[in-house]
Amino acid sequence: GAGVSQSPRYKVAKRGQDVALRCDPISGHVSLFWYQQALGQGPEFLTYFQNEAQLDKSGLPSDRFFAERPEGSVSTLKIQRTQQEDSAVYLCASSPFSGVPGNTIYFGEGSWLTVV
Amino acid sequence: RKEVEQDPGPFNVPEGATVAFNCTYSNSASQSFFWYRQDCRKEPKLLMSVYSSGNEDGRFTAQLNRASQYISLLIRDSKLSDSATYLCVVFGGSYIPTFGRGTSLIVHP
Repeated sequence: GAGVSQSPRYKVAKRGQDVALRCDPISGHVSLFWYQQALGQGPEFLTYFQNEAQLDKSGLPSDRFFAERPEGSVSTLKIQRTQQEDSAVYLCASSPFSGVPGNTIYFGEGSWLTVV
Repeated sequence: RKEVEQDPGPFNVPEGATVAFNCTYSNSASQSFFWYRQDCRKEPKLLMSVYSSGNEDGRFTAQLNRASQYISLLIRDSKLSDSATYLCVVFGGSYIPTFGRGTSLIVHP
């Protein structure tokens, strides 16, 4: 399909386990975002890439969270030693880049992480 | 104070009603504004952009008040299918959009 694709859609991890969440953005989109959304809350910013460069990672909640986009396309969000508070939906979004802030961003369906 | 604030609701209205939501933002340098809609257990999707002069798309009207730093969304003639969470999105002078927590709308028969 032509949209943002995320996998896995659902993941149950045991506390302490490492997880990797994958995002395949819309082809040609320069900007890629990761957000975390808890139940009843809006999406909270985690990190931002322009091509392969991670320009902002100020939203990552701890050093257990790591994101990469090595070839400027697919991105992976890795969470090490998962904790129960990491349970949330992880949303990936992509956007074309025009040099001016304010482009529409397009979301994937999210990866639903439950840590037990 | 959060950068983008919304009343979480829920707003519970009958079909055919007119309902309005506001969203306030704290960064006076913010330049771009959007409303997104999120259905239960789905991803957010763009509803409409918000332009300085105000804009309308069918039953939906979005307005920006820079002086008071808020944007609004007005829905006329509400339909059952309008039931969703409406997210306010603000670009605060950077390439990173900030989302409000969303306002829940329930339209009942």
